Amino acid sequence: NAGVTQTPKFQVLKTGQSMTLQCAQDMNHNSMYWYRQDPGMGLRLIYYSASEGTTDKGEVPNGYNVSRLNKREFSLRLESAAPSQTSVYFCASSPMVAANTEAFFGQGTRLTVV
Amino acid sequence: TQLLEQSPQFLSIQEGENLTVYCNSSSVFSSLQWYRQEPGEGPVLLVTVVTGGEVKKLKRLTFQFGDARKDSSLHITAAQPGDTGLYLCAGELIYNQGGKLIFGQGTELSVKP
Repeated sequence: NAGVTQTPKFQVLKTGQSMTLQCAQDMNHNSMYWYRQDPGMGLRLIYYSASEGTTDKGEVPNGYNVSRLNKREFSLRLESAAPSQTSVYFCASSPMVAANTEAFFGQGTRLTVV
Repeated sequence: TQLLEQSPQFLSIQEGENLTVYCNSSSVFSSLQWYRQEPGEGPVLLVTVVTGGEVKKLKRLTFQFGDARKDSSLHITAAQPGDTGLYLCAGELIYNQGGKLIFGQGTELSVKP
């Protein structure tokens, strides 16, 4: 029962470095999401993909890019990491983009930018 | 500014007390979901409410969706230490091809024995 798998679980970057966070789901879900979680801010949507081949900006897209590689995989890229991007990142998927759907989350990636 | 305002952000109570968490917005949602998150894990869905005025019960937890589908509440009766955790509300907005899920700030609940 893999569900949503994120890699890596932990990462430390230097300011200006780039990296890609990987996410894969094995539930045949149409929609996938990337969130960041910071204390007192809840989960903020970075980007989402309603279906394979489409991506849309969320609440806080600046500094990030995404790729919906196929139905299973949705990656998040930081081109030039900044300390403000230190956060816990969650990938999620849901069966369809419509009312009354449940989002399933990965275990998160804890990213520190120094 | 937060699209979904959740309050209170922190709550520390004694075992056996009742509590209510609120989630408010000026936007209309097609559905409102409540999640619970344990440390080091991703959020897990507790319930989804879809119809304005809808009330759902999950043991000691009661969830309500406002008539105008802009707000929701979570009420816990006789809280237990096992209820300790982060509670998050999330609203589903209809946008282009479908909805995107927006979260509130979360309520960190601590129930002391």
